[in-house]
This record gives sequence, C-alpha cells and structure tokens, in this order.
Amino acid sequence: EVQLVESGGALVQPGGSLRLSCAASGFTFSSYWMRWVRQAPGKGLEWVANIKQDGSEKYYVDSVKGRCTISRDNAKNSLYLQMNSLTVEDTAVYYCAREGYSYASDYWGQGTLVTVSS
Amino acid sequence: QSALTQPPSVSGSPGQSVTISCTGTSSDVGSYNRVSWYQQPPGTAPKLLIYEVTNRPSGVPDRFSGSKSGNTASLTISGLQAEDEADYYCSSYSSSSTHYVFGTGTKVTVL
Repeated sequence: EVQLVESGGALVQPGGSLRLSCAASGFTFSSYWMRWVRQAPGKGLEWVANIKQDGSEKYYVDSVKGRCTISRDNAKNSLYLQMNSLTVEDTAVYYCAREGYSYASDYWGQGTLVTVSS
Repeated sequence: QSALTQPPSVSGSPGQSVTISCTGTSSDVGSYNRVSWYQQPPGTAPKLLIYEVTNRPSGVPDRFSGSKSGNTASLTISGLQAEDEADYYCSSYSSSSTHYVFGTGTKVTVL
C-alpha cells in the first residue's frame, strides 16, 4: 500500500525557516517524480515544487523561488521542502504527492500545517 | 502564474448530471493531454479522479468522466450522489515557466 506521511509543520514567525519531510513507503520511491502542493486555509490547491527521480531537475512556483528548496533522499525514501524567509502568505497545509502517469498526482499524504504568524 | 479557471460552484439533484469546466491556455490545457481531476471532500486530502484527460484510476466509478475541447477540459459527474459533495480541482502541465498549474476549484453541492 502506497503511503506518504508528512511532518515538520509548525507555528513559525515571519522571516523564519522550516523544513518539511515526507516519508514514502509501499512503492519504489526512486522511480517517481515527487511534488509538494499547498492549500491556504479556505483556499484552493497550489502547486509548489517538483523534483525528478534523481534530484537532477527541480521546478518551483514563482512565489517560492529563491526561498524554498525541494530535495530528496532516495536511500531514506524521503522528500523534503526547506522553506526560508517565510511570510504569512506561506500559511497553508502542505501536501506531499507522487507524480504518476502523465503528470497526475496519484497519491497524496494527509498534509502538514504550516502557520506563519507573529 | 495564473490558475486554470473553474466555476466557483455547481449543483444538482441526486441522479442528475453536472459538468465542471476548466479553462486554460494554449500553453497548458490546449496543447497537452496532461490534464487531471481531483476530488477533495471537506477536511481530507485530494484524491485523483481522472488523469490524461479521460482515464480513470482503478476504483473510481465510471460516473466520473473527462473530456477536452480546445483550451477547456471538462469533468462530468453522472448520476449524482450525496457522497459526491466535495471540492473538485483540475490540473495541467504547462510549457510556460509555471510548469504545473491547478484550477481555481469548484464546489459541488447535491441538492
């Protein structure tokens, strides 16, 4: 059974940093692109970042470029999102998702809440 | 980076059909069949309903169907059921700097 479990969400002050983690199991992690998607309270889904199987290609939404870094450790079956210079606009539930066939996100984690507030 | 455009809400009675549109551009929906649809009941994570415009993953009822014409993709729910009440999102690959984009979301209400 495919499982994605996010962790690392917390209350952080504006300007602070946070590292989110996603533990994957039930599939060959190193064979799939992975992504982060976020959802602000009461708002829609927003794609945040994608990373290729070997980490050699990464893509980001404009609003996080230069502030966030997506990475992975295939030996640990884990995906990460390092977020710096956080603003209140980064407040959201952050989902880890597997990119399956044809760019679809076929499996999702339960999400981890990041709250940026003073 | 603009989101794909969806109607904020649609509604229907049990047994009826509803269709949700998803309008993009020639950089995304119009040029690629990498369109997918997701269902998100309140308080839960999204679930994949349709991928590559028309394909259903195993376990998704055939009441859900997808199509595309030009820059607009559509999701049709036939034989609407109470359990279909949820938010629905489309998404697409984009050849612009956006790379990947979601729709604005549509709330489906079963009357």
